[in-house]
Parts: sequence; structure tokens; C-alpha cells
Amino acid sequence: GAGVSQTPSNKVTEKGKYVELRCDPISGHTALYWYRQSLGQGPEFLIYFQGTGAADDSGLPNDRFFAVRPEGSVSTLKIQRTERGDSAVYLCASSSGLAGDEQYFGPGTRLTVT
Amino acid sequence: AQTVTQSQPEMSVQEAETVTLSCTYDTSESDYYLFWYKQPPSRQMILVIRQEAYKQQNATENRFSVNFQKAAKSFSLKISDSQLGDAAMYFCAYRSAGARGGKLIFGQGTELSVKP
Repeated sequence: GAGVSQTPSNKVTEKGKYVELRCDPISGHTALYWYRQSLGQGPEFLIYFQGTGAADDSGLPNDRFFAVRPEGSVSTLKIQRTERGDSAVYLCASSSGLAGDEQYFGPGTRLTVT
Repeated sequence: AQTVTQSQPEMSVQEAETVTLSCTYDTSESDYYLFWYKQPPSRQMILVIRQEAYKQQNATENRFSVNFQKAAKSFSLKISDSQLGDAAMYFCAYRSAGARGGKLIFGQGTELSVKP
């Protein structure tokens, strides 16, 4: 079956603009995760959904970042008033939602803020 | 809060040889999961191996095995018979066992190069 997909693969935007990043999880996976990976670093957790609700949003850095998953499938990460420090690869992962289950990652969206 | 530390930014191994990547972690929890992920230049994170903390037996997946030392909070990855395709960034990750699902906490990564 299809894996996790993310669109766009690359996004270049100007400082101060609004961006949306999309994640399509594996069909049937109830859990969905967003991570941010800066150059040369390990991924950092942003937010985790169980179904439609955010089960843990403790990683969102500030109120410019917001994510939704209205129907429990596709998720959108939204960044308002982008800053150059937001430049990173944004990774999405999904899993079955069981304890200790494997998280399957998408290829990521590389966001560049100029 | 839990932390994961990978103290080797870069490692190199000759093809067909064995290499060990180090990982230490800090936690006050008694039940958790540990993972090694591989990230090639394509950016796609791929699970290499996982270990449940309550299991004393070290996990093994083909050429990949771990040395899990719970008391020392150490979780190293051994790659045997290294192949050119093993070249990638390797990340150690921790996950609490308490809640359904749950975030991964990653180390800084080790870049592995394989010499022919």
C-alpha cells in the first residue's frame, strides 16, 4: 500500500508569509505526528494527533504554528508570519496508535524562508 | 524530561566490517521503547530496530543488533558485514510506554560512511 506522503516536497516563501504543509498518512492509521528537523539535527516533535484531536501539542514552538486533522486522516500544518528561523524539513509520520508501534515517516517538506 | 545523546557525529567503516554506533539516554521512567532509525539522503526515516525496555534480550534484525544496558541507560547499534547501502544518518530515539502512541525523542544523529 501507499506510504505517508507530504506535499509540497519543497516550499520557498518570503518572511512574513503564511504557509500550509500537507500530510497524507497511511490509510487506517489513527495516530499522526509532525516533527521539525533543522540542518544537522535530529527531528524535534511538534504535535501528535490521535484521530481528529491533538493528543499532545507540547512541541509547537509558539502560537504562529497550528495543525489540524479535521476528518482524522489528512493533516495540515499551518505557519503564520513565517520567520527565517522556521526554515527546516518538516516530517510527518503515522502509526496504528498502539503502544510502542512503529511510526512510518513521509519524505518531508523542505521549507525555506527568505 | 527525557533526553537522548549520540556522542559520535561521524563514523566510518570498511565494507564487510563491523561498526558500533553509541547512544545514551536519560529517563526516570521504567517502561519505554528505544529505536534506531536510518535516514538516507532521500530524507525518508526508516526504522532499523526497536527494543522494549522490559525485555532483557537484545533485539536483532539480520545484520543489525543492539546492546541494551538498562542500568547504564545505553543503547548501541551494531552493524555487521557493512554494505555500501548502510551509509546514512542514524538516529537513536526514545519513546515513553505510558500512553497510546506517543512522541519520539531523537538524538543528534551519527553520520555513517562506508568505504568500498
